Amino acid sequence: EIVLTQSPGTLSLSPGERATLSCRASQSVTSDYLAWYQQKPGQAPRLLINVASSRATGIPDRFSGSGSGTDFTLTISRLEPEDFAVYYCQQFGSSPWTFGQGTKVEIK
Amino acid sequence: QVQLVESGGGLVKPGGSLRLSCAASGFTFGDYYMSWIRQAPGKGLEWVSYITITGSGNTMYYADSVKGRFTISRDNTKNSLYLQMNSLRAEDTAVYYCARANYGLVNWGQGTLVTVSS
Repeated sequence: EIVLTQSPGTLSLSPGERATLSCRASQSVTSDYLAWYQQKPGQAPRLLINVASSRATGIPDRFSGSGSGTDFTLTISRLEPEDFAVYYCQQFGSSPWTFGQGTKVEIK
Repeated sequence: QVQLVESGGGLVKPGGSLRLSCAASGFTFGDYYMSWIRQAPGKGLEWVSYITITGSGNTMYYADSVKGRFTISRDNTKNSLYLQMNSLRAEDTAVYYCARANYGLVNWGQGTLVTVSS
């Protein structure tokens, strides 16, 4: 099983700042099948990025994904008020699929 | 537009059973892998199971935590996904989401709450 470790656990930033979230895999993710999701309280998660760096439909270009193999990054170039939420990475390259434990981006 | 609507959640005693359903619309259901994901209260996301398409043998995969107790299935004629949950434990208490998979979990339902308690 591939274990995904996200860091930091919590990121305290102000609107307009840049957010950098990390997701590290315990072994290489097949075909870089790594996705990022955003979840707000009381809502279902929303897909942001798939296959490490491809933005999902309708996702603003301030969200970008990078990385390959075992190290992946989600960057939010300038935080908007609606971006404060919990972010999860997930690998779907091999079974069992797994999620990271999440990074909370909170308002400083 | 794509809609996924889960149902079947509720309160069940430890050792009991429950069957969740997910009604899909807005896409060709039989063309996509489908998945169940759960989230315990105040916790992170946990992948539970996924099922491939008919062309891939409707193969099923499970998290170790539910293997042997949960069964995923699909009925393409009814555009529906199911999760049969047996031998339920307190730690199965969670909101259960169904999701359409297409290089990531592209669409999610609103979730249905399962509470396992005596």
